[in-house]
Amino acid sequence: NAGVTQTPKFQVLKTGQSMTLQCAQDMNHNSMYWYRQDPGMGLRLIYYSASEGTTDKGEVPNGYNVSRLNKREFSLRLESAAPSQTSVYFCASSPNWTPNYGYTFGSGTRLTVV
Amino acid sequence: QKEVEQNSGPLSVPEGAIASLNCTYSDRGSQSFFWYRQYSGKSPELIMSIYSNGDKEDGRFTAQLNKASQYVSLLIRDSQPSDSATYLCAVNTFLDDGSSNTGKLIFGQGTTLQVKP
Repeated sequence: NAGVTQTPKFQVLKTGQSMTLQCAQDMNHNSMYWYRQDPGMGLRLIYYSASEGTTDKGEVPNGYNVSRLNKREFSLRLESAAPSQTSVYFCASSPNWTPNYGYTFGSGTRLTVV
Repeated sequence: QKEVEQNSGPLSVPEGAIASLNCTYSDRGSQSFFWYRQYSGKSPELIMSIYSNGDKEDGRFTAQLNKASQYVSLLIRDSQPSDSATYLCAVNTFLDDGSSNTGKLIFGQGTTLQVKP
């Protein structure tokens, strides 16, 4: 009963490097989300996918791209990492895009860009 | 800009007391309200949801909603040291014309609760 699985759990990048954060859910949820969490800023939505085949920008999309690979998987890519992208990244999913049941979160990826 | 506001705290209460956590939101169209608990270094965990005005009780937790005042609160009775965490309020949002749910939750910054033995 894994729920939402994120990899990696920790990552250190040098400025300008690229990487992809992976997220997979096994709950047959339609909607998936990527948030970042910074001290004093709360959770901010980066991108979301209301259903397989669709993606949309959230509050802070600059510097990121996403791919909804299939119903289970939703990845977040940093093309050229910057120190401002140092954060904790959470993937979440919900049964459908009217989030009447709230989200289920993954365990997070702690990213440091030096 | 749709917003959810919470007092960041910390809110400190003695063990066995009632902890009261508050949240206000700006989107009058919001219909779904959630409380998440987040332990330090961990991910948010859904603990309560409420959709109608009034109170909803689940064990030691009670969520209260007042849509007219755009206010939602969480009461924790008989607080325990294990309740020490950050509590996040989350609210669903609608398009500016109120025609459609955006499918997104907006989170408050969270209130840190400390329960002292």
